[in-house]
Amino acid sequence: QVQLVQSGGGVVQPGRSLRLSCAASGFIFSNYAMHWVRQAPGKGLEWVAYIRYDGRDKYYGDSVEGRFTISRDNSKNMLYLQMNSPRPADTAVYYCANGEGLKGGAFDIWGQGTMVIVSS
Amino acid sequence: DFQMTQSPSSLSASVGDTVTITCRASLGISDNLAWYQQKPGKVPQLLIYTSSTLQSGVPSRFSGSGSGTDFTLTISNLQPEDVATYYCQYHKSAPFTFGGGTRVEIK
Repeated sequence: QVQLVQSGGGVVQPGRSLRLSCAASGFIFSNYAMHWVRQAPGKGLEWVAYIRYDGRDKYYGDSVEGRFTISRDNSKNMLYLQMNSPRPADTAVYYCANGEGLKGGAFDIWGQGTMVIVSS
Repeated sequence: DFQMTQSPSSLSASVGDTVTITCRASLGISDNLAWYQQKPGKVPQLLIYTSSTLQSGVPSRFSGSGSGTDFTLTISNLQPEDVATYYCQYHKSAPFTFGGGTRVEIK
């Protein structure tokens, strides 16, 4: 069964750190680019970060550049998002998703989402 | 900054109607445009990619068209289960920008 299972959300104080995880199964994880997408309460989708299939290329949205770090461990089929110095504006549901090369990079498989609340 | 602009932001239509949502890119993006459906409280799902290619399992009443800067998502014969928010997205390279979304409701 092709799936992405997320963990690691919760409440974090502004300026502290939090790491989100995304476990892949049912497909060859190391062949796929991966992304993080977020959705603030009542708002639309915002792309957060991208990592190439081999981890050698990474890109970030302007709002998280320099604070968040995307990484992956292909030996464990795991994707991560390290959130440093989070702000209240980072409060959102965070989704991991794969970029399907055969579909032009469209986000084919999505995790179930994990809520992150940044609050003191 | 590169932007994807959707219109309208919301619409209400009757069962059986044909609904059209538009998406405009601030730069030409060829056919690198995807549409996603997000039902209330659910995870987004890929509907269409490369502007007009239907994702497997998506009903044929959904169709997409366009190239360059202007794109459309058409829902023919609108059904109650189509109540959702629809997002366009540039899916080729960073920034993988989403449109603001269009909420579709049934009258």
